[in-house]
Amino acid sequence: DTGVSQNPRHKITKRGQNVTFRCDPISEHNRLYWYRQTLGQGPEFLTYFQNEAQLEKSRLLSDRFSAERPKGSFSTLEIQRTEQGDSAMYLCASSLSGTVSGEKLFFGSGTQLSVL
Amino acid sequence: DAKTTQPNSMESNEEEPVHLPCNHSTISGTDYIHWYRQLPSQGPEYVIHGLTSNVNNRMASLAIAEDRKSSTLILHRATLRDAAVYYCTHYRNEKLTFGTGTRLTIIP
Repeated sequence: DTGVSQNPRHKITKRGQNVTFRCDPISEHNRLYWYRQTLGQGPEFLTYFQNEAQLEKSRLLSDRFSAERPKGSFSTLEIQRTEQGDSAMYLCASSLSGTVSGEKLFFGSGTQLSVL
Repeated sequence: DAKTTQPNSMESNEEEPVHLPCNHSTISGTDYIHWYRQLPSQGPEYVIHGLTSNVNNRMASLAIAEDRKSSTLILHRATLRDAAVYYCTHYRNEKLTFGTGTRLTIIP
């Protein structure tokens, strides 16, 4: 399978704990996005990378959230001191930049986070 | 941020065409219109995109109004596997901004 892979698929944690999610993009893709989705809502943009550079972070993104993409390959999203409001599906997507029309984003199946 | 408006839900009979509307009240001249769909327990999946002209691919057709304030995704012959949430979005500033989408139910 050469699609976008996310691990774990599900994560249950207690409030105040730190969690880390991993995303492995399609190998030749240089852009990687993180989105968050709550029930009944569309995906909400969090941040994106071009290669290893983090080019944009959403204004809504708390400083408890941090993302990295070392060496421009896989990415991790860490949430520190989790709160119940962080419960959501965290989606990763990758794309190949370079077209004016906007690239097709390929999404993973997401990591469902539940904060108790 | 780009804003789109879609009906919350629609129903269609199996093997009938489906027309999913979208209003693009804040679209700018260089924003491409993208459509994605999301099946249960999966991430969104690309369907089609365009700028001004109507577009066709193996999955669907996209009809874009002349003023680009609206678009319509057309599924020519709906199957049960087309039941999903459909999102119209704008590609702006290197990212997609999603609304709440239309939940499409296919009636056998």
